[in-house]
Amino acid sequence: SQKIEQNSEALNIQEGKTATLTCNYTNYSPAYLQWYRQDPGRGPVFLLLIRENEKEKRKERLKVTFDTTLKQSLFHITASQPADSATYLCALGRNSGYALNFGKGTSLLVTP
Amino acid sequence: DVKVTQSSRYLVKRTGEKVFLECVQDMDHENMFWYRQDPGLGLRLIYFSYDVKMKEKGDIPEGYSVSREKKERFSLILESASTNQTSMYLCASSFPPGRGGQETQYFGPGTRLLVL
Repeated sequence: SQKIEQNSEALNIQEGKTATLTCNYTNYSPAYLQWYRQDPGRGPVFLLLIRENEKEKRKERLKVTFDTTLKQSLFHITASQPADSATYLCALGRNSGYALNFGKGTSLLVTP
Repeated sequence: DVKVTQSSRYLVKRTGEKVFLECVQDMDHENMFWYRQDPGLGLRLIYFSYDVKMKEKGDIPEGYSVSREKKERFSLILESASTNQTSMYLCASSFPPGRGGQETQYFGPGTRLLVL
């Protein structure tokens, strides 16, 4: 069965450093991968999408890589700030499908 | 901006009650989804709908039903609430495959349901 794995342990980093979050998947051939941010008690908010034929995508301080050989995506936040503290979810999708498959999320805490 | 609203932020119900959770979106999206989110289990898809009056089961449909009478509104129904349905319920919407930007789902704020 398909499986999406994100670091289950919370990631604690110091302000100004680069945070790197991992999303691994098995038994899945996604056409695209997305990253969402979720704050406590709120719904997820879309951040970035990367397609299977793209290696890297950037948006301001965010960078996503997608390696379909390794079946892995890395999500980087450079120059991290305490306001970046949240849970980050990866989600995989297919062009022919309607629904996304979400990972369980990784909690990020950025301390001053 | 896309807006997805849910009828309640918090809800407390008794075992056996019938519960209605309402979701409304204002972006003319064809697709609408209901998820539940539990600690350690992540987001799990209950049902989705790709058109008015159309619905498809997700990964965990047991104990739930849905209704989509209008394009902008998608309701989740717990016919007889049980304590194991205590959870955070999230509604989302998106465009269909083939439309630009269809991959992105827009979520509502969530309804935290407690069944006693």
